[in-house]
Amino acid sequence: GAVVSQHPSWVICKSGTSVKIECRSLDFQATTMFWYRQFPKQSLMLMATSNEGSKATYEQGVEKDKFLINHASLTLSTLTVTSAHPEDSSFYICSARTGGESGANVLTFGAGSRLTVL
Amino acid sequence: GQNIDQPTEMTATEGAIVQINCTYQTSGFNGLFWYQQHAGEAPTFLSYNVLDGLEEKGRFSSFLSRSKGYSYLLLKELQMKDSASYLCAVKDSNYQLIWGAGTKLIIKP
Repeated sequence: GAVVSQHPSWVICKSGTSVKIECRSLDFQATTMFWYRQFPKQSLMLMATSNEGSKATYEQGVEKDKFLINHASLTLSTLTVTSAHPEDSSFYICSARTGGESGANVLTFGAGSRLTVL
Repeated sequence: GQNIDQPTEMTATEGAIVQINCTYQTSGFNGLFWYQQHAGEAPTFLSYNVLDGLEEKGRFSSFLSRSKGYSYLLLKELQMKDSASYLCAVKDSNYQLIWGAGTKLIIKP
């Protein structure tokens, strides 16, 4: 089946530095990818929708300048957390629609990236 | 506002049956999903319901009643590996996914 590869799985960085997370669709093209953030024991929160060749669409309350999204090709989207702070520590997950049953457009998720900002 | 409600935590015994409920209030409805998420991992797709009724897939079944804004996930012959969080998500009229907070299922021997 379709696979979404996400890297890195774990990252620890110092406050004030930037961190890039990559999300790749393997063996299929993803014109649209989604970036989620999940705090412990909380629901998935959609941060932004990444569109190949155009600007990402951010959800209300998500800072565009802080969470830079680039979708330069049909198989790669990147999320860069700029000037990271401890409150940015979270589990970041990307996903892509991979078709599915009855047009459900099931989401296939990457393995997630756990970011810890010291 | 839009809201998805599911119990925070449930406990069940290995080999038994458990039902995880999900109620929703959304602006429109274009399908309901159940995902399984093991601790520290990304969610994986379990089921999709868009019409009323029961969808069975092996040990897992999912039920939907659109008039009641209600769904449940039924897990039979529970195994220890079923210990995970189960997320209910509804696609609203804008085809946006609204996620529940998840139900942590603990399986005891």
